Amino acid sequence: AQSVTQPDIHITVSEGASLELRCNYSYGATPYLFWYVQSPGQGLQLLLKYFSGDTLVQGIKGFEAEFKRSQSSFNLRKPSVHWSDAAEYFCAVGVSGGSYIPTFGRGTSLIVHP
Amino acid sequence: DAGVTQSPTHLIKTRGQHVTLRCSPISGHKSVSWYQQVLGQGPQFIFQYYEKEERGRGNFPDRFSARQFPNYSSELNVNALLLGDSALYLCASSLSGTVDQPQHFGDGTRLSIL
Repeated sequence: AQSVTQPDIHITVSEGASLELRCNYSYGATPYLFWYVQSPGQGLQLLLKYFSGDTLVQGIKGFEAEFKRSQSSFNLRKPSVHWSDAAEYFCAVGVSGGSYIPTFGRGTSLIVHP
Repeated sequence: DAGVTQSPTHLIKTRGQHVTLRCSPISGHKSVSWYQQVLGQGPQFIFQYYEKEERGRGNFPDRFSARQFPNYSSELNVNALLLGDSALYLCASSLSGTVDQPQHFGDGTRLSIL
């Protein structure tokens, strides 16, 4: 069975600083990987996804993520954080060949200081 | 176009009661998935339905059940409520429920058990 680890429960950055949120997965084959963002009181919004091909994927809101098979990682990055990026971020892994039944990490809470 | 809508937004129940949560998918989406998100955790998959058929079930007790109607809306039912059922219940819809199709989430139903 697949699993996802987000080692950082909270991350604090200053507005304008760069950001990297870590995600490690465990899955025997090539995974389908996702990053979602959740603002308080709202559902999840898909930021980006990786299925195959180029290991650097671009998403919405200026986010990108890099798939590194050797490290079983799919870290999320943003070069310059805005105050509106403060939210909960979830990494998820899905298996290929059928229904999308994802396994989510526990999430990383991003705090942005002015 | 309307997004995924869930009702009610908040609900308070007592132990032992029964609850029904409702979800209307985005128009044209035929698949609905349900998730439970306990405070401080990532969402956990409960059910997926496609064309009124159950396609996947997570590791939840039989007290949890769901169904999908001909108009693709869905209900999640929970019997004999326990304190541990307190959570945000999220519904997500997609075109076909497969891993390549993005899921669109509603804002959830916050269920509190007293």
